[in-house]
Parts: sequence; structure tokens; C-alpha cells
Amino acid sequence: RKEVEQDPGPFNVPEGATVAFNCTYSNSASQSFFWYRQDCRKEPKLLMSVYSSGNEDGRFTAQLNRASQYISLLIRDSKLSDSATYLCVVNDRGSTLGRLYFGRGTQLTVWP
Amino acid sequence: DAGVIQSPRHEVTEMGQEVTLRCKPISGHDYLFWYRQTMMRGLELLIYFNNNVPIDDSGMPEDRFSAKMPNASFSTLKIQPSEPRDSAVYFCASSLDGGRETQYFGPGTRLLVL
Repeated sequence: RKEVEQDPGPFNVPEGATVAFNCTYSNSASQSFFWYRQDCRKEPKLLMSVYSSGNEDGRFTAQLNRASQYISLLIRDSKLSDSATYLCVVNDRGSTLGRLYFGRGTQLTVWP
Repeated sequence: DAGVIQSPRHEVTEMGQEVTLRCKPISGHDYLFWYRQTMMRGLELLIYFNNNVPIDDSGMPEDRFSAKMPNASFSTLKIQPSEPRDSAVYFCASSLDGGRETQYFGPGTRLLVL
């Protein structure tokens, strides 16, 4: 079983739409959670960290459900520039030396 | 500020040749990671270092792959001999605190082995 599972999509939505991505992780001891964004032929970049109480950054909202080992990302009022692949990322344990596990990514295309 | 620097950006080589990829992490970052990304397998961790010491190399596919970090500002990933199935994008990333802090990725090296 993979450490992080994501729906690969693709998601194709019009500008202004709200879209949600989900991800599940297998290690209940994981302590740190992130969403990274990867543009076509570019490197992954941190979009936002995910905190236990949920957090917002502008049009982006991240939620964590530890009981279900489930992470979500909600994008409101989608922009053309949001088109990218979104990677769900989890660390393997709480220690400093924990490595990160990346999901395969969910592809989003926002059309005008 | 300079981010993670990788070279070369593109590499085309023939099967059997040695390939050396280079990385300069962000100054002050204690962790350095080497990843490989393919359509089939996504982003895979190959190896990571903490303070220049290899911590986990379980992702290194086989003995043809080796990585070194002789000092805090330089690391290499070597493939010898290279095979067509090694064709991928190889990313180097660095961070301040392993799995609990943001990892900053370099632009990647696109490797094609013919």
C-alpha cells in the first residue's frame, strides 16, 4: 500500500469554480502534512502546510482528519493560473529525521 | 536569494555511459534530498543527507546509483553504467529540518538515456 494516495484527476473546471482534492495517508504516526504545487515541467513548490485545526490561505483551504487519515484542499474562485498538479505530502513520523512522502499528484486545469 | 542549484539542466547520453548530476543546496540547510520523477512512478526519494551524512538510501534503485556529499554546499548523484530505464527528471531539494520543514527543490535535471 502506498503511503499517500491521491485521485490523479484530471480535474477540468471553469474559471470561478470551486474544486476540492482529497488524499489519504497510511501512517497514523505522521505528524506533518503539506500541499505542494507543481507546474508543468517545473519543480514542486510548497503551497501550504496543513494544520490539525484546518487553515486558510486566501482562496485555498486545507483540512486534516486524523481519525480517517484524510487530507483535503479546497480552491475557491479558481483562476487560470491555478492550473497545475497538486501534490499531497506527508512525513513518516514526528522525529526530526522524518522523510517526506509525496502522492502522485492531482492534475487541475482551469479553463476560461 | 539563490535557491537550490542543479547542473546540468538537461543530459542526453547513451546506454552504458556514466552520468553525474550535481547539486548545490541553499546555504544553511542541513538536509539534502535526491528525488527521481517519472510519469509511471511519480516522485520517489532516492537518498537524503543530514549534515553531509547519508541517512536513508533505501530508495536508491541499485548499485549503479551512488551519491556523495563531500561538504555542506555540494552533492553529486552518479549513475554508472546508465540504462534507458534511468531516463527521468532528477530533483535535488534542501531543507532546514528534514520532514517537518519546507523542502526547496532545484529546477531538476532532465536525463535521457538512449
